[in-house]
Amino acid sequence: DTEVTQTPKHLVMGMTNKKSLKCEQHMGHRAMYWYKQKAKKPPELMFVYSYEKLSINESVPSRFSPECPNSSLLNLHLHALQPEDSALYLCASSLRTGLDTGELFFGEGSRLTVL
Amino acid sequence: QKEVEQDPGPLSVPEGAIVSLNCTYSNSAFQYFMWYRQYSRKGPELLMYTYSSGNKEDGRFTAQVDKSSKYISLFIRDSQPSDSATYLCAMSARGTSGGSYIPTFGRGTSLIVHP
Repeated sequence: DTEVTQTPKHLVMGMTNKKSLKCEQHMGHRAMYWYKQKAKKPPELMFVYSYEKLSINESVPSRFSPECPNSSLLNLHLHALQPEDSALYLCASSLRTGLDTGELFFGEGSRLTVL
Repeated sequence: QKEVEQDPGPLSVPEGAIVSLNCTYSNSAFQYFMWYRQYSRKGPELLMYTYSSGNKEDGRFTAQVDKSSKYISLFIRDSQPSDSATYLCAMSARGTSGGSYIPTFGRGTSLIVHP
């Protein structure tokens, strides 16, 4: 079983809704990531938090708003999404020491459908 | 030219076959090489991790890195139908600045092992 837990597993929302995706890890990792994955494509990096601070934003539209309340939790707030935002949203974590090697541990993902 | 090239397949093999999956890359700074397995509609699972050149074996899986050729491989012996999944290669450079530790993914190869 994965040690990165994502909820909900499935989410259907309208374009005017506000919803949140949640991610939790208890491996003591200090970097957490949000990825977006479309069918038959590799994961696409959205955000990186390092030591609870946002360190990378890959020019993601503001309708996606990340939040890292503490070192174990990561949220992605969704508002006014478009149908093309429908995808599998993956949370990942990594150790993030000075010798970070980039090994990522992924959750099972939240499958989002925007109507 | 993309940084990481991977044939998307699908690659269809009979049960018991030896499978060879490959990626090529262009960034000579990459030092850490990973293979992820992703079942349909699930998050990627870290399968193998290798540092620099050489081989690494884990059960039926062998990861091979040839930095001089910028070429990595994953071999699966005695393949099983349960190995049917998408295999993503990923690689990263050492470092703490500029996100260089964040892995770059190949597009994934779809493997089908039929009984």
